[in-house]
Amino acid sequence: DIQMTQSPSTLSASVGDRVTITCRASQSISVWLAWYQQKPGKAPNLLIYKVSTLESGVPSRFSGSGSGTEFTLTISSLQPDDFATYYCQQYNTSPYTFGQGTKLEIK
Amino acid sequence: QLQLQESGSGLVKPSQTLSLTCAVSGASISSGDHSWSWIRQSPGKGLEWIGYMFRTGTTNYSPSFRSRATISVDRSNSQFSLKLSSVTAADTAVYYCASYSSSSGFDYWGQGTLVTVSS
Repeated sequence: DIQMTQSPSTLSASVGDRVTITCRASQSISVWLAWYQQKPGKAPNLLIYKVSTLESGVPSRFSGSGSGTEFTLTISSLQPDDFATYYCQQYNTSPYTFGQGTKLEIK
Repeated sequence: QLQLQESGSGLVKPSQTLSLTCAVSGASISSGDHSWSWIRQSPGKGLEWIGYMFRTGTTNYSPSFRSRATISVDRSNSQFSLKLSSVTAADTAVYYCASYSSSSGFDYWGQGTLVTVSS
C-alpha cells in the first residue's frame, strides 16, 4: 500500500494567516492527489483534486501544488470557517489511502 | 446534486455480519462515471477505504477487507450496500458511503453512520 504522511499533525494559526500543509507519498502517485476538509461530526468534504483543481464552490484562498511524492495544501488567508482537520488522499493506486490528518487550530 | 444517505444497524455482535445500505439520489446509480464506495473512520486507524463497485458490476476491494467485505448495488431502488462479515471490536467505526470518480476522488459523501461491535 502507498503510505501518505502529513505534516504537521497539528497546526495553530490565526485568522488571516497563510498556512501550508505537506503531504508525502511513499511512492510516486503522479497527479492523483486529493485534499479533504473535515469538521467535527461531519463527513470529509472534497476541496481539491488532481493536485490543484478546486472543487466547485471551494474558495480561491485554497490552493494545491506538487507532483510525484510531495504535495502541499495552502490556505492564503485563514478564515474562521477554515479551522478543521485536513486530509490528503491518493487515488493513483488501489488501495486508495489517506493521510493521518492535520488539525488546524485557532492560536 | 448527488446525495447519499447511509442506513443500517448501529450495533453488531462480534462474529456477526455488519450490513449497511446507502441510498443514492440526484443521479442515476446505473450510469455515469461514478463508482459506489464505502469508507470507514476510527480513532485508531483514521480513514480507511473499504472498496467500491462500478456500475458495470466490477468491484475493487482493499486487500485489508477483501476476504470479509461484499459491496452490491440494487439498481431498482437506487442504493448500494456493504456487508462485512466476522466483525470484531476493531470494526467499530463511523462508516461512510461515497461516490468515487477516477478523475476527482471521493467527491460526494453520506453523513456517516456509527457502527459499534459489542456483545
